[in-house]
Amino acid sequence: DVKVTQSSRYLVKRTGEKVFLECVQDMDHENMFWYRQDPGLGLRLIYFSYDVKMKEKGDIPEGYSVSREKKERFSLILESASTNQTSMYLCASSYRDSYEKLFFGSGTQLSVL
Amino acid sequence: EDKVVQSPLSLVVHEGDTVTLNCSYEVTNFRSLLWYKQEKKAPTFLFMLTSSGIEKKSGRLSSILDKKELSSILNITATQTGDSAIYLCAVLHGDKIIFGKGTRLHILP
Repeated sequence: DVKVTQSSRYLVKRTGEKVFLECVQDMDHENMFWYRQDPGLGLRLIYFSYDVKMKEKGDIPEGYSVSREKKERFSLILESASTNQTSMYLCASSYRDSYEKLFFGSGTQLSVL
Repeated sequence: EDKVVQSPLSLVVHEGDTVTLNCSYEVTNFRSLLWYKQEKKAPTFLFMLTSSGIEKKSGRLSSILDKKELSSILNITATQTGDSAIYLCAVLHGDKIIFGKGTRLHILP
């Protein structure tokens, strides 16, 4: 079975802190994605990557950056966390030619105080 | 603006009932429509639909796409408490997936 692992289930950070959310997949997937999920807004795409060292902006990239130094790992970075970034963050991955079928991690609930 | 709209937003039924969840979309460069089930945290893939009028089935779940009406339905027959979840509709357009807000389904025993 595909496994997408997010490093933390729950995180509490202070406003202004730099926050790293880590995601690792074990199926050699080319594509990796970061979404956030908020009540009433659904899943929204923050950033995605089709290959090592490449990244593309999603629908809501402001306030975030990403890093993909290795194929299996995709990191989401909040340079200076703000309260409006309190959310559930979901990482997903897929094969290059099958990116309809996303495999999701279990999510990180981030609270910024 | 590209969008995916699901209805109802929430639904409570009794075990054994049949439910129909709706999804409509307005996107450019449509490629496929997707259904996911989110029970706790991680959504899991259910169906991908690309052709109009062809039903996809998996056990008690089935789905069909109507490209003329730009919509899809997800049917669940003989519901069980384990069907309680958020059901997400999504559309692949170009190389991006856009999700609807989901339908929260609760099955009462």
